[in-house]
Amino acid sequence: KQEVTQIPAALSVPEGENLVLNCSFTDSAIYNLQWFRQDPGKGLTSLLLIQSSQREQTSGRLNASLDKSSGRSTLYIAASQPGDSATYLCAVDPRKETSGSRLTFGEGTQLTVNP
Amino acid sequence: DAGVIQSPRHEVTEMGQEVTLRCKPISGHNSLFWYRQTMMRGLELLIYFNNNVPIDDSGMPEDRFSAKMPNASFSTLKIQPSEPRDSAVYFCASSPGLALPSYEQYFGPGTRLTVT
Repeated sequence: KQEVTQIPAALSVPEGENLVLNCSFTDSAIYNLQWFRQDPGKGLTSLLLIQSSQREQTSGRLNASLDKSSGRSTLYIAASQPGDSATYLCAVDPRKETSGSRLTFGEGTQLTVNP
Repeated sequence: DAGVIQSPRHEVTEMGQEVTLRCKPISGHNSLFWYRQTMMRGLELLIYFNNNVPIDDSGMPEDRFSAKMPNASFSTLKIQPSEPRDSAVYFCASSPGLALPSYEQYFGPGTRLTVT
């Protein structure tokens, strides 16, 4: 059974700092990995999707990397801003024929960026 | 597009009552997912549909839960009878489809259900 772990569970940083969020998964047979952001009381917003054949994806100040063989992904946020404060979740998609699309989520990292 | 629309946003009901949650996916999306989020268990997939057909309902907790997708633009998740342990935020998500090599899931704002 796939298990996804995110470290740290919570992170508080001063504005402007670069930071890294970590995600690890136990079964490396994944189809893709997706990073989401969740604001309090809101739904999830997709940030980046990395296919299993890719090593990284970038969007603005965000960069996500994937090392499938070691079961790890990182989300790098450059020059953090207070507006980045949210919970960040990673999710893996096995996309096997029998399971179809069944995202398994980590428990998230709660990020606070202090002005 | 307005995104994934869910209703109601909040629902408070008494134990034993029937609860119906509604979802309108993004137009043109072929896949629809129902998730439940709790503090104890995090985000869990309950069921998903592809082209209105249920593909995997192994996440549905028990027979009290049922989901339907009568057409491409509407889905319901029903709990009958509801129990206090069903209290959670229920999310609906849609994506362009399983056939595409790369897709993302787009989430609705969720329905916060409280069963007293």
